Amino acid sequence: AQKITQTQPGMFVQEKEAVTLDCTYDTSDPSYGLFWYKQPSSGEMIFLIYQGSYDQQNATEGRYSLNFQKARKSANLVISASQLGDSAMYFCAMRVRKAGTALIFGKGTTLSVSS
Amino acid sequence: NAGVMQNPRHLVRRRGQEARLRCSPMKGHSHVYWYRQLPEEGLKFMVYLQKENIIDESGMPKERFSAEFPKEGPSILRIQQVVRGDSAAYFCASSSVGSQTNEKLFFGSGTQLSVL
Repeated sequence: AQKITQTQPGMFVQEKEAVTLDCTYDTSDPSYGLFWYKQPSSGEMIFLIYQGSYDQQNATEGRYSLNFQKARKSANLVISASQLGDSAMYFCAMRVRKAGTALIFGKGTTLSVSS
Repeated sequence: NAGVMQNPRHLVRRRGQEARLRCSPMKGHSHVYWYRQLPEEGLKFMVYLQKENIIDESGMPKERFSAEFPKEGPSILRIQQVVRGDSAAYFCASSSVGSQTNEKLFFGSGTQLSVL
């Protein structure tokens, strides 16, 4: 069965510092995609970054990077130079080709950035 | 280019009533997904539809819930005879291609359903 685990219910960081949000996944399918979404208090889901299982390099999108360690089945999100606007819930998600259509989500991590 | 539009944003129903949640996908997108989010939980997949077809409904409760995506108009998630346990945020997402592993889903702002 496919599963996403986010073990940090809440994280706290000061402005301008970097923070890592953990995500581990479980699948036996060699072909899969990993996603991170941000959900601010307003409720919408905002796509941040994507990593494919066959990608050789870690994905980066501006201040976001994905630390992809395939052997450990981890896909941690790194946010550099945190900003107050980064305060939100962050969800890790996975899609497995064999499993069909569903994007499977973890339970999320709440990030609080303070000044 | 408008994003995924969901309405209403908030819906209040009494037990036993029907709830209808609407979702208009992004322009050019013909694939729609519905998810449910309970408090302090991640999103749970419910159903995946293309125009006039249900592709995957493995996450839908067997009773009271139904979804459609007609040729014209928005996708509708319908919950009959609502119960308090149906209270949740319901999110719609759309995509242009379908179930590729690298395919990004674009989400709407959700409908918060409250059952009294």
